[in-house]
Amino acid sequence: AQSVTQLDSQVPVFEEAPVELRCNYSSSVSVYLFWYVQYPNQGLQLLLKYLSGSTLVKGINGFEAEFNKSQTSFHLRKPSVHISDTAEYFCASRTGNQFYFGTGTSLTVIP
Amino acid sequence: DVKVTQSSRYLVKRTGEKVFLECVQDMDHENMFWYRQDPGLGLRLIYFSYDVKMKEKGDIPEGYSVSREKKERFSLILESASTNQTSMYLCASSLVSWTGPTSGYGYTFGSGTRLTVV
Repeated sequence: AQSVTQLDSQVPVFEEAPVELRCNYSSSVSVYLFWYVQYPNQGLQLLLKYLSGSTLVKGINGFEAEFNKSQTSFHLRKPSVHISDTAEYFCASRTGNQFYFGTGTSLTVIP
Repeated sequence: DVKVTQSSRYLVKRTGEKVFLECVQDMDHENMFWYRQDPGLGLRLIYFSYDVKMKEKGDIPEGYSVSREKKERFSLILESASTNQTSMYLCASSLVSWTGPTSGYGYTFGSGTRLTVV
């Protein structure tokens, strides 16, 4: 069965510091991978997605993620975070019509 | 701009009430989903639908039912609300995809309904 694991439930980081949010997936078939962001009291918005091709994917708000097939990882990174990046981040995989979400990582940016 | 609209942002209901959560999308998506989101548990799939009048159970269907009479509308029904159904409910839609060019599309989410059952 497929699954997505987010290794950190909470990540505090100082403003303007770099951040990495970790995500590992398990799948025996091809997957499509996504990162979503949820700001307080809002729904989820798509940050970026990996479908195929280049393993480095750039998304909105300066975020990027790298697909690593050998390590079955899809970690999200940003070189310099802003207060407005404080939110919940979800990693997800899709095969066919089935989506699998991680349990989320709460990113708190400290001024 | 494409949208998934959930009819209520906040809802307070009493135990035992029948509760309807409505979701409408304007993207002509075939697939629609209902999730609940709880701290530490992430998103859990309640029900989904691939087409009008079709429904499939997700991971936690107990205590819920759904209705999809029109392509754009997917309703979640709590037959008899209980306090353990207090949660954030998220609706999402996507293009159908078994294979092909749309298979990599993600979800579009609504803004969520925070339901409190007292």
